Amino acid sequence: KAGVTQTPRYLIKTRGQQVTLSCSPISGHRSVSWYQQTPGQGLQFLFEYFSETQRNKGNFPGRFSGRQFSNSRSEMNVSTLELGDSALYLCASSLWELAGDTQYFGPGTRLTVL
Amino acid sequence: EDQVTQSPEALRLQEGESSSLNCSYTVSGLRGLFWYRQDPGKGPEFLFTLYSAGEEKEKERLKATLTKKESFLHITAPKPEDSATYLCAVQANFGNEKLTFGTGTRLTIIP
Repeated sequence: KAGVTQTPRYLIKTRGQQVTLSCSPISGHRSVSWYQQTPGQGLQFLFEYFSETQRNKGNFPGRFSGRQFSNSRSEMNVSTLELGDSALYLCASSLWELAGDTQYFGPGTRLTVL
Repeated sequence: EDQVTQSPEALRLQEGESSSLNCSYTVSGLRGLFWYRQDPGKGPEFLFTLYSAGEEKEKERLKATLTKKESFLHITAPKPEDSATYLCAVQANFGNEKLTFGTGTRLTIIP
């Protein structure tokens, strides 16, 4: 069974631009969560989508948004990029509910903002 | 707000030298505490779930324990392949279901 895939793996943008990251969950999984990982803050929860609806949300500004399609694939968008948005963005999928022991993480997208 | 603090930030051990990693947490009703392993360039990989104080879980050289305020990941006679960053996370049992992670302990086992 194929794992969680994320594209692109690496991305370089400049301040003020916007970026879209993509996540394809494990086949059959309907919940997709997004996380931001930085050395100083660690892994921080952004949001979770289930059946095309945002079900849980972290404490990030409105510049961070996401969506989920009918095939469970998800995209995350960051508008008006800031230097502090440089991070590893991880996606995780699970079959139904958001739970720490049923999530499978992708390899992440490394975003660098110059 | 839920909080997780891990210590130490980094730990270097000789092969075979046992030690423990600490995860202190505050959460409004614990649904579960989770340990993950993360290798460079990869996403976290699930290791253990602990639900209530006094619970213990073991897997090969790793053993996780839980009290009402902290969890320990004990590593016995580690090998170089145990080198990784170990992450701890908590999930509350009501309200927002989001997971709250610590910043991790970077473990290096020297042959």
